[in-house]
Amino acid sequence: DVKVTQSSRYLVKRTGEKVFLECVQDMDHENMFWYRQDPGLGLRLIYFSYDVKMKEKGDIPEGYSVSREKKERFSLILESASTNQTSMYLCASSPTPGTGGVNYGYTFGSGTRLTVV
Amino acid sequence: AQSVTQPDIHITVSEGASLELRCNYSYGATPYLFWYVQSPGQGLQLLLKYFSGDTLVQGIKGFEAEFKRSQSSFNLRKPSVHWSDAAEYFCAVGARRTGFQKLVFGTGTRLLVSP
Repeated sequence: DVKVTQSSRYLVKRTGEKVFLECVQDMDHENMFWYRQDPGLGLRLIYFSYDVKMKEKGDIPEGYSVSREKKERFSLILESASTNQTSMYLCASSPTPGTGGVNYGYTFGSGTRLTVV
Repeated sequence: AQSVTQPDIHITVSEGASLELRCNYSYGATPYLFWYVQSPGQGLQLLLKYFSGDTLVQGIKGFEAEFKRSQSSFNLRKPSVHWSDAAEYFCAVGARRTGFQKLVFGTGTRLLVSP
């Protein structure tokens, strides 16, 4: 069964800490995404990557960075965690549509619920 | 650019009753359309997707959705709701073209199932 695996289900970190959220996919997908999800706000895109070492800002990149050194792994980094970054973080991956242009959608991980105290 | 509207934030349905969740999209051509479900504390799971062809799409867990081009809608339906269907449901739209693209998600509809 194909998977997107997020390394932690729950994390509690202190304000000011540097936090790493890890995501690994085993589907050889080109594209990977990090979202945060908050009540009433839906899914908001933080960063995405369409190739190794390539990254693009999403809608809310402030306070975050990412790393993609290998195709299967996409890391989200909170440089200095703050309480307003307490949230559910979701990783997703997708293949790039080929000549036929068919978009098969995303495969999501189970999420990491981060609490910053 | 494409966009998605899910007009209902919450819906409560009695167990055994039918369900319809609304999704309206904005896109200049025929899009790719998806419905995802998120159980509490979990990631999103794909329920069904529309690419082309038959406008009535069958998915997992007894769900179906109908693409209506004239109404720019892709509503999700289930004839008889089970208590385990209580979850949050997200509609998403993707552009119909080659190359990298992002999905655009709606803000979700939370389904509550009453006994």
